[in-house]
Amino acid sequence: DAGVIQSPRHEVTEMGQEVTLRCKPISGHNSLFWYRQTMMRGLELLIYFNNNVPIDDSGMPEDRFSAKMPNASFSTLKIQPSEPRDSAVYFCASTPGTGVNQPQHFGDGTRLSIL
Amino acid sequence: QKEVEQDPGPLSVPEGAIVSLNCTYSNSAFQYFMWYRQYSRKGPELLMYTYSSGNKEDGRFTAQVDKSSKYISLFIRDSQPSDSATYLCAMGAGTDKLIFGTGTRLQVFP
Repeated sequence: DAGVIQSPRHEVTEMGQEVTLRCKPISGHNSLFWYRQTMMRGLELLIYFNNNVPIDDSGMPEDRFSAKMPNASFSTLKIQPSEPRDSAVYFCASTPGTGVNQPQHFGDGTRLSIL
Repeated sequence: QKEVEQDPGPLSVPEGAIVSLNCTYSNSAFQYFMWYRQYSRKGPELLMYTYSSGNKEDGRFTAQVDKSSKYISLFIRDSQPSDSATYLCAMGAGTDKLIFGTGTRLQVFP
């Protein structure tokens, strides 16, 4: 049974470049979450979708960040333009139900470095 | 003050020791309490889930919730080197988002 799949696993790019992170949730899961993890701030929720619709994007740091979920099996998180302070590990998670408090299944993350 | 506080560690213990990991929180409305384990360069995985107060046991792991003190704990008995990981507490209320602690890094040495 495939888990949450994220790509790429690592991304190194220069400041100002556009970065696109991808996520495939577990088949049949209705909710999808994007998190950012840093040593200082821990795991922070950026945005979550329910049935492909964005429900809460209050954690998105600024307009440079955008997320889409065009269908139930795919989501993207885009940063444009990227800045060094965006360097972090970005995780995608999904749950079978619609409650934000349900146990979440995480992917292995994308380690992003902005030079 | 953060909503959820967790000592970052690292916590280093010998194999076979009993480990106690803790989190405190400030929001008395929290009802859902979880512990996630995160191995290096991997995503967090759910370890324990508790609703409201009380204890829950699963093998070598016991989760405790004390809502009166706003304090939750995870105990690991007979710790093993394979338990070496970062442990994150997480909690939430109603339909609000899950709030994670920053994690405690645990190392169990043989």
